[in-house]
Amino acid sequence: SQTIHQWPATLVQPVGSPLSLECTVEGTSNPNLYWYRQAAGRGLQLLFYSVGIGQISSEVPQNLSASRPQDRQFILSSKKLLLSDSGFYLCAWSVNPENQPQHFGDGTRLSIL
Amino acid sequence: GQNIDQPTEMTATEGAIVQINCTYQTSGFNGLFWYQQHAGEAPTFLSYNVLDGLEEKGRFSSFLSRSKGYSYLLLKELQMKDSASYLCAILDSNYQLIWGAGTKLIIKP
Repeated sequence: SQTIHQWPATLVQPVGSPLSLECTVEGTSNPNLYWYRQAAGRGLQLLFYSVGIGQISSEVPQNLSASRPQDRQFILSSKKLLLSDSGFYLCAWSVNPENQPQHFGDGTRLSIL
Repeated sequence: GQNIDQPTEMTATEGAIVQINCTYQTSGFNGLFWYQQHAGEAPTFLSYNVLDGLEEKGRFSSFLSRSKGYSYLLLKELQMKDSASYLCAILDSNYQLIWGAGTKLIIKP
């Protein structure tokens, strides 16, 4: 069966520090991968998605970047965090976005001080 | 523009039935998903509708009317563990999910 691992679960970082969140999927090949951010009381905001290795689409211009160095690995990064980067970050995968659901990792709660 | 509306919060009694509505206006429609999200946790998939009508899955059912831009999630025999947020999401013309803000459901004994 397929599983998704996302870490760390919580992270407290100072403003201006770098960020690296990692997500890996097991049990499937060539999944579509997604990074979302969820602010309190708000809907999920799609940040990046990837249909294959090295293929990244950005939905919202911002302080973050994403990379997919391997088929089942998706990384969210920042060189300098802003206060507004605080939130709940979720990684998700789907085998067929046309009619299959996305499945989420446990999420990372990021607090910027 | 893209717009998905859900009530912010609902309260129901254990053992009862509750209906959570979702109305939408999006650029294209390729399906509607319902997810459950407990506080502090990730969303988990509940149901998918792409054709009009009712899809039943145990205590949970989801209904879709594409002509009205309307869906509802029906929860029967409510249990305390059903206390969570319920998220409606539309698969748009680019096969990307557009998410509603969610409905927080509070179950009282």
